[in-house]
Amino acid sequence: GAVVSQHPSRVICKSGTSVKIECRSLDFQATTMFWYRQFPKQSLMLMATSNEGSKATYEQGVEKDKFLINHASLTLSTLTVTSAHPEDSSFYICSARDPRIGELFFGEGSRLTVL
Amino acid sequence: GNSVTQMEGPVTLSEEAFLTINCTYTATGYPSLFWYVQYPGEGLQLLLKATKADDKGSNKGFEATYRKETTSFHLEKGSVQVSDSAVYFCALNSGGSNYKLTFGKGTLLTVNP
Repeated sequence: GAVVSQHPSRVICKSGTSVKIECRSLDFQATTMFWYRQFPKQSLMLMATSNEGSKATYEQGVEKDKFLINHASLTLSTLTVTSAHPEDSSFYICSARDPRIGELFFGEGSRLTVL
Repeated sequence: GNSVTQMEGPVTLSEEAFLTINCTYTATGYPSLFWYVQYPGEGLQLLLKATKADDKGSNKGFEATYRKETTSFHLEKGSVQVSDSAVYFCALNSGGSNYKLTFGKGTLLTVNP
């Protein structure tokens, strides 16, 4: 079964609203989680590294005020897309590293559509 | 910077055909290399990996060999099945403690009965 779960799997929102996506590690505690964005027929692009108890580290070109990341517990990281616009429509994927074995596990992804 | 280039799909094969999906990379240092698979409606799963030159990763009949001289990590399987239909991603990790991955664009494989 899945060891990393994302919710919701699909979300449609109106332009200007904010949307929160959750990423949970189910079988382990993850001090580090990662958020990716995937455009159609494109690679996964790393957006940010989420560190439990500290600020996220954003990749170059990613607006930290636009994509708010909170890693408040060892099993949960959230990505909030603030004031969403149609160009934010994309597939967002999280991953979490199991420190016991050093392997990354991925969530099922969340498809955001902004109207 | 790091980059991964993999063959564009889609790739369509008949059952029991031989599969090759090419992957080449550019990286500083000595990266670890990975193949991930994404089945319809599911998250990415690690298929196999290799951490140093000449290592061969293998799993579920798939193989890939870390070739430093050609900076390649091609995925192969001798006889594909319908259940292998998925998107395959080549990726690398250039090391460090944060385990950041750089992915290729993915290759959609469809296997017909």
